[in-house]
Order: sequence, then C-alpha cells, then structure tokens
Amino acid sequence: DAGITQSPRHKVTETGTPVTLRCHQTENHRYMYWYRQDPGHGLRLIHYSYGVKDTDKGEVSDGYSVSRSKTEDFLLTLESATSSQTSVYFCAISAGNNLIPNTEAFFGQGTRLTVV
Amino acid sequence: DQQVKQNSPSLSVQEGRISILNCDYTNSMFDYFLWYKKYPAEGPTFLISISSIKDKNEDGRFTVFLNKSAKHLSLHIVPSQPGDSAVYFCAASSETSGTYKYIFGTGTRLKVLA
Repeated sequence: DAGITQSPRHKVTETGTPVTLRCHQTENHRYMYWYRQDPGHGLRLIHYSYGVKDTDKGEVSDGYSVSRSKTEDFLLTLESATSSQTSVYFCAISAGNNLIPNTEAFFGQGTRLTVV
Repeated sequence: DQQVKQNSPSLSVQEGRISILNCDYTNSMFDYFLWYKKYPAEGPTFLISISSIKDKNEDGRFTVFLNKSAKHLSLHIVPSQPGDSAVYFCAASSETSGTYKYIFGTGTRLKVLA
C-alpha cells in the first residue's frame, strides 16, 4: 500500500467553524490531490499540488484553501464550514513528472466530515 | 460540465459472466485513462490503465478498451466474481501547463450475483 495517511478519519464540526484536514505521504511523490466524494457526483477534484508551495484549483475549489509547505504534507482547510461541505474527502498522490508522465494516483482511506 | 461520464449508475451481473462498464469523455486532450475500484469505507484502489496510444490493455481478468474516435472506454471483467462487487470509477488525465490532474466520472456500482 502507498504510504498515505489522512487525519482525522472522522470529524463533526459546526457551521461557520474552520476545519483543517491533513494528508501525509511517505512516498516522496510530487503530486498531491484533494477530492470529495458525494452521491451522484463521484469524485470531484478540489485542489491539487505539483510541488512544495505550488498549488492549483480543481473543479470545486470555492470555500476551500490548501497549503503544502513540505513535500510530505498537504493540508485542506475549510475556511468557514457549511452543511454543503459535508462529504467524504480523499487525498491522493502520484509520481508524475516529465520522465514518467502517465502514472496512477494512490488514494488515502478518506475523512468523513459532517457539518452540523 | 462533466468531462468524464459514466452513464450507468448500476449494473448487476451473474457470477462467471462478463461485466462491461462504460465511460465516455469529452476532452480530446486526455491522454491517459484509468479505472479504480472502491469498496465502502475505503479509498479507491487503482485497477488498470491505458495510454491513448493503445486501444487495449489487459491484466488478468480485467481488460480496458479505448476508442479514441468515439471518446469512449470500457472495462471488461471476465469472469465476474462476487468479490468484484464495488463501485468502479473511470478517470482521465492530461498534461496542462506541465501539471497532471485526474478527472473522475460519477461511478458505476457493480453487483455480481452468486
């Protein structure tokens, strides 16, 4: 199994509070991604990172911010949680680079977030 | 605008028969396609992939077919086993400004009946 750890695994928070989810990898992969999974929507990309301090928006980035200060850690922050952000969040990593452009992504176990 | 589409939310197949899961995409820049399997309460796991320079890739019971002109790919599972019951996601990737990201479909829930 790829070395990806998400924390926490479960969280319940109140509307309006900030929340930070952490993804930690031990593979030294360049790319890290945050997805959310919702019924009927599949997996949607929130933000991704292609290197330390290099991040970009995905399909559903509103209300989320990310930071990557070290290769191994990618943080997802919900600045002011809303009920629509209740979801299962997955972190993924991949090694893709110019020499190996096409590689698979490996996923963490997920974080179930409930905003009440 | 959904760039990767899986139009069948669910599929039931008898054990031992073939399962065929379909996926369509709209972005002609996609050059790498993947299939993932997901069990409840677990993260998606990589199953098989195919580059746009190929039209078929096989790995044991799993074969992925790519029809670029139709922007369509399919996953064949032969023979299907009860343990294959899961949600299957197709994904597509391309290089944009030197970076790579994966766009997923909405998933197809496969149920293999014993």
